[in-house]
Amino acid sequence: DTGVSQDPRHKITKRGQNVTFRCDPISEHNRLYWYRQTLGQGPEFLTYFQNEAQLEKSRLLSDRFSAERPKGSFSTLEIQRTEQGDSAMYLCASSAGTHEGKLFFGSGTQLSVL
Amino acid sequence: DQQVKQNSPSLSVQEGRISILNCDYTNSMFDYFLWYKKYPAEGPTFLISISSIKDKNEDGRFTVFLNKSAKHLSLHIVPSQPGDSAVYFCAASANYGGATNKLIFGTGTLLAVQP
Repeated sequence: DTGVSQDPRHKITKRGQNVTFRCDPISEHNRLYWYRQTLGQGPEFLTYFQNEAQLEKSRLLSDRFSAERPKGSFSTLEIQRTEQGDSAMYLCASSAGTHEGKLFFGSGTQLSVL
Repeated sequence: DQQVKQNSPSLSVQEGRISILNCDYTNSMFDYFLWYKKYPAEGPTFLISISSIKDKNEDGRFTVFLNKSAKHLSLHIVPSQPGDSAVYFCAASANYGGATNKLIFGTGTLLAVQP
């Protein structure tokens, strides 16, 4: 029983560079979420996919951010022209769509923008 | 606007005693409440949940209480163990009208259980 996996675990980049993160959800889950967590805060919702359709995006997701889930399986989150304020833990979660909304999280990608 | 609030950033308790973590919310449309536990450098893991139509749910050492009129919930851990030391997040979801069913998280409470 494999959980949600994220790659890479850590990413250090220079300001202005583009970065891409990958998430592989639990295989039978059709819902996939991206969250961002900064120090002292709880996870903040970024975007949500049901199968390959991106159904909701947070106001936190600026034009520099783009997420895809091309075949309804894995997902990528790209940040273009990174800024120091993008430094955070990026968490991916998947769900079978139960009524309670329980999410299964990956270990996250820690991004540091220098 | 913080819809889910955890006003205690940290809590320290002795091993074997009860830990009580509190959470308040503002959105009356929330219909499920969940608690997650997070260790450093790991993602949050699900602990326990409660439906808005209940006032208590118990799972082993963990019990969640919901007071809808006060828009308040609490997580009780008894007896507390050193391995319970982690950050605990309260989260809420609203599942109405085809909503996304996303979770809204509080800011977390760091629990330290002293041996």
